[in-house]
Amino acid sequence: AQSVAQPEDQVNVAEGNPLTVKCTYSVSGNPYLFWYVQYPNRGLQFLLKYITGDNLVKGSYGFEAEFNKSQTSFHLKKPSALVSDSALYFCAVSPPDKLIFGTGTRLQVFP
Amino acid sequence: ETGVTQSPTHLIKTRGQQVTLRCSSQSGHNTVSWYQQALGQGPQFIFQYYREEENGRGNFPPRFSGLQFPNYSSELNVNALELDDSALYLCASSLGRGINTEAFFGQGTRLTVV
Repeated sequence: AQSVAQPEDQVNVAEGNPLTVKCTYSVSGNPYLFWYVQYPNRGLQFLLKYITGDNLVKGSYGFEAEFNKSQTSFHLKKPSALVSDSALYFCAVSPPDKLIFGTGTRLQVFP
Repeated sequence: ETGVTQSPTHLIKTRGQQVTLRCSSQSGHNTVSWYQQALGQGPQFIFQYYREEENGRGNFPPRFSGLQFPNYSSELNVNALELDDSALYLCASSLGRGINTEAFFGQGTRLTVV
């Protein structure tokens, strides 16, 4: 069965510092991986996806993610955090036709 | 903002009642998926509709049912509500099926069962 794990319930970072939100996956076959962000009282917003190709994927709002096959990881990164990045982040894996989400990581960026 | 709209935004129902949630997909999208997000959890896949036919179902009982209409809008129906059905219900629309299609989510309907 395909699954993702987000080992950190919360990540705290100071504004201007780099941030990393961790995700590991378990799939059979080629992984199709996604990151979504959820702001309070809002639905999910797509950030980026990895299907194939370059291991470094660039997405919306300055976010990027690094796919590492040997470590089965797909960590979300941003070089310089903003207070407005504070939200709930979900990693997801996609067998065809649906998304399987992790439990989410709350990112708190302090001024 | 995505073009996916859900109604109502909030709803309170009594255990045992039935509820219908609605979703208007983004213009041009023919696929709608529904997810349940319990408090503190990630969204869980309920089912997907593609061109008015069910195209996959998650681990939810039959009292969770759905419809997709010719204009590709969709309904989620839940019968015999239980307290554990309290959650945020998310609708996502996409164009076609498969992993290369990006899903656009609505803002969700928060259902409270008392």
